[in-house]
Amino acid sequence: LAKTTQPISMDSYEGQEVNITCSHNNIATNDYITWYQQFPSQGPRFIIQGYKTKVTNEVASLFIPADRKSSTLSLPRVSLSDTAVYYCLGYSGNTPLVFGKGTRLSVIA
Amino acid sequence: EAQVTQNPRYLITVTGKKLTVTCSQNMNHEYMSWYRQDPGLGLRQIYYSMNVEVTDKGDVPEGYKVSRKEKRNFPLILESPSPNQTSLYFCASSPRWGTGRMVIGQPQHFGDGTRLSIL
Repeated sequence: LAKTTQPISMDSYEGQEVNITCSHNNIATNDYITWYQQFPSQGPRFIIQGYKTKVTNEVASLFIPADRKSSTLSLPRVSLSDTAVYYCLGYSGNTPLVFGKGTRLSVIA
Repeated sequence: EAQVTQNPRYLITVTGKKLTVTCSQNMNHEYMSWYRQDPGLGLRQIYYSMNVEVTDKGDVPEGYKVSRKEKRNFPLILESPSPNQTSLYFCASSPRWGTGRMVIGQPQHFGDGTRLSIL
């Protein structure tokens, strides 16, 4: 199973771009890098997933370098409603999801 | 509406009294899973099921049972609950992943959670 390491917490001001980096040194060939967002007392919600290079959707961008040993979730112009815990996972579908402790993002007005 | 439904949402009970938390999904997903979430420990997987009649242990299965008799339901059973099982529980489901050599991890859909307090 891919073990991931993320910062425990981050603070940002509203309107700024936030980049959360995750390291996953033993990512498997078939693993996709997947990010989830969780608000208090709610289940995690899928944000974005990618295999390599860059993926962008309406919520975020995901940058994965060629060696795939790390990835960066980029949230453009965060707002107070982006305050949440963000989880990075390596996931192939053949193995159970393994959530770490995530990164607690606090957005300040 | 596509969703994962857990019941009950909240439960306070006593040590040793058997309880079941139900989980149902209406998306025809093959994969279902149970997690517990505790402060400082993040989400930890209890059991998962890759299809009907196929279940396997996650990271913290002790004290729990599951069954998968039909695709849409995946109940979590605590035969003899103890206070250390007081936690926030989440059920999740995802569609079948890709076939062949290159499989694709499908995003999981989570329920709204069940907060269990065992006194």
